[in-house]
Amino acid sequence: QLQLQESGPGLVKPSETLSLTCTVSGDSVSSSNYYWAWVRQSPGKGLEWIGNIFFTGNAYYNPSLKSRVTISVDRATNHFSLKMTSVTAADTAVYYCAREADDRSGYYFLASWGQGTLVTVSS
Amino acid sequence: DIQMTQSPATLSAFVGDRVTITCRASQTISNWLAWFQQKPGKAPKLLIYKTSILESGVPSRFRGSGSGTEFTLTISSLQPDDFATYYCQQYKHFRTFGQGTKIDIK
Repeated sequence: QLQLQESGPGLVKPSETLSLTCTVSGDSVSSSNYYWAWVRQSPGKGLEWIGNIFFTGNAYYNPSLKSRVTISVDRATNHFSLKMTSVTAADTAVYYCAREADDRSGYYFLASWGQGTLVTVSS
Repeated sequence: DIQMTQSPATLSAFVGDRVTITCRASQTISNWLAWFQQKPGKAPKLLIYKTSILESGVPSRFRGSGSGTEFTLTISSLQPDDFATYYCQQYKHFRTFGQGTKIDIK
């Protein structure tokens, strides 16, 4: 049974880098069947897809965040990670990791989600 | 950017009611649309993908339809467990979500 667990600091100072890890159990990030994604949710902006990554390391990012975001995958430890630089209060949100599955047409949807972790940006 | 617009923002209904939520895309997304249910303090839960395919374990009272730019989620007979917020999401080009529809008890 797939489990996704986010971990990382719950408090980040403005202008610093937010770093989160998603530990995957019950599946392998090396699978060629899925993408691995990050999504965030804040009261002000609702649900926002941050980006995703394939096991090969190919990553795709929301254009509005692309300049500040890096998603990476670690096949040895079976996790994937998010880094977001130069954070501001607007980046305060619950951050979710998720697995995206193919709907059999080559398009991937957000099939399974972690429980989420709250990250607050404040000095 | 593909914008997703849901209506209504809130909906009050009785148990047993048939309810419909509408989702409009700013450009055609064919049938690459998903619906999620979210309860307070929980992650969104996938209900439907590719417009009308029910995720495993989701009750058959949930039905999705539409194509192009207009989509609907219908709950045929609202149950107590269905009071929640619902989101549509396109996955044709990157991914974007609607702003949500909260269903509460009338």
